[in-house]
Amino acid sequence: DAGITQSPRHKVTETGTPVTLRCHQTENHRYMYWYRQDPGHGLRLIHYSYGVKDTDKGEVSDGYSVSRSKTEDFLLTLESATSSQTSVYFCAISETPTWLPEQFFGPGTRLTVL
Amino acid sequence: QQQVKQSPQSLIVQKGGISIINCAYENTAFDYFPWYQQFPGKGPALLIAIRPDVSEKKEGRFTISFNKSAKQFSLHIMDSQPGDSATYFCAASIGNAGNMLTFGGGTRLMVKP
Repeated sequence: DAGITQSPRHKVTETGTPVTLRCHQTENHRYMYWYRQDPGHGLRLIHYSYGVKDTDKGEVSDGYSVSRSKTEDFLLTLESATSSQTSVYFCAISETPTWLPEQFFGPGTRLTVL
Repeated sequence: QQQVKQSPQSLIVQKGGISIINCAYENTAFDYFPWYQQFPGKGPALLIAIRPDVSEKKEGRFTISFNKSAKQFSLHIMDSQPGDSATYFCAASIGNAGNMLTFGGGTRLMVKP
């Protein structure tokens, strides 16, 4: 998985609790992304980062926040988890835009909110 | 609003047959169209990608056909093998917009031996 780790890999939590997912890369890529994957919806972008402390919203950012204090780490936080946030979360990385920019995906985190 | 629509949702093909997955997009600013392959329990991985300046790209048994005027592109898998059984996602992005990908809903392909 191109030097990308996600932690935890599985998590079960209760509605209303805060949750933080971590993405760590060893590739020194500039761009990092958080997606969620739900049946029938493919993958949808939550937030992305284009550098340390530089982040922006994606398609489904409500209820999520992110932080990137180091090049290698990108954190996704659910401030108060809801059942609708039950999903599989994928982190991805990408280098500076090239002619055919490839995103490399991590192994995913399965989150269940009861 | 789903900007990239993918069909079919599922596909069953016999070994040796041709698998065809179609995608249609709405945003004419998209200029990069990748296909990703995902096996159960794994993250997606890039399979093949195309820019709209060409109408077709082939890599081994995998071919992307691109129709800019119709805003459609498709993935053809020739001589499909059981090992090709996976979920396939088309996607699109705008090159100067941080490489943000908009994905289709996915197609679950099963190749029967």
